[in-house]
Amino acid sequence: QVQLQESGPGLVKPSETLSLTCTVSAVSISSYYWSWIRQPPGKGLEYIGYIYYSGSINYNPSLKSRVTISVDTSKNQFSLKLTSVTAADTAVYFCARYSRWFDPWGQGALVTVSS
Amino acid sequence: DIQMTQSPSSLSASVGDRVTITCQASQDISNNLNWYQQKPGKAPKLLINDASNLETGVPSRFSGSGSGTDFSFTISSLQPEDIATYYCQQYANLPITFGQGTRLEIK
Repeated sequence: QVQLQESGPGLVKPSETLSLTCTVSAVSISSYYWSWIRQPPGKGLEYIGYIYYSGSINYNPSLKSRVTISVDTSKNQFSLKLTSVTAADTAVYFCARYSRWFDPWGQGALVTVSS
Repeated sequence: DIQMTQSPSSLSASVGDRVTITCQASQDISNNLNWYQQKPGKAPKLLINDASNLETGVPSRFSGSGSGTDFSFTISSLQPEDIATYYCQQYANLPITFGQGTRLEIK
């Protein structure tokens, strides 16, 4: 079945760039939309954005000035970059396939912003 | 942005109880609403799409209904394994938004 796995540093310094990669298995990344969602500790879910392999992208306006989502079809991966991070960006970051709903999800990656 | 308001924020019920969670959208979203279950330390799991369609493999005690601005999610007979936080999510308008979650506990 389709599986997603997030990877990347678990600790990022304030003002630096958060970078995560999601590796997709059992399906071609060219076949669907792919998304990032985050969840601060003890809080709810926040949509970050989605991408289609052809370049169609949507970002949450609340993060748009700092977010870049990209796709690497050769590796069947997509990535998230979030610049100028602060403590408020500390969260579990999930990748998920998007097709009007999010399913399946990766297990999540905790990223802590701290010096 | 479309605001999704879930009620209640938390709920305590007994095994076997019928449990209902509501989700209200700040504007008409037709049936463009999904429900997720999230257990502690885990990723959310899609239970219901398009307001009322049960995902394959999800127990039939879960159900969803509604259209427009008012939606409900029901567990007909609460089981111990249903302890989780439940979220609604709309996709009618971008940005996609989630409800704040309803934490369900066993009494």
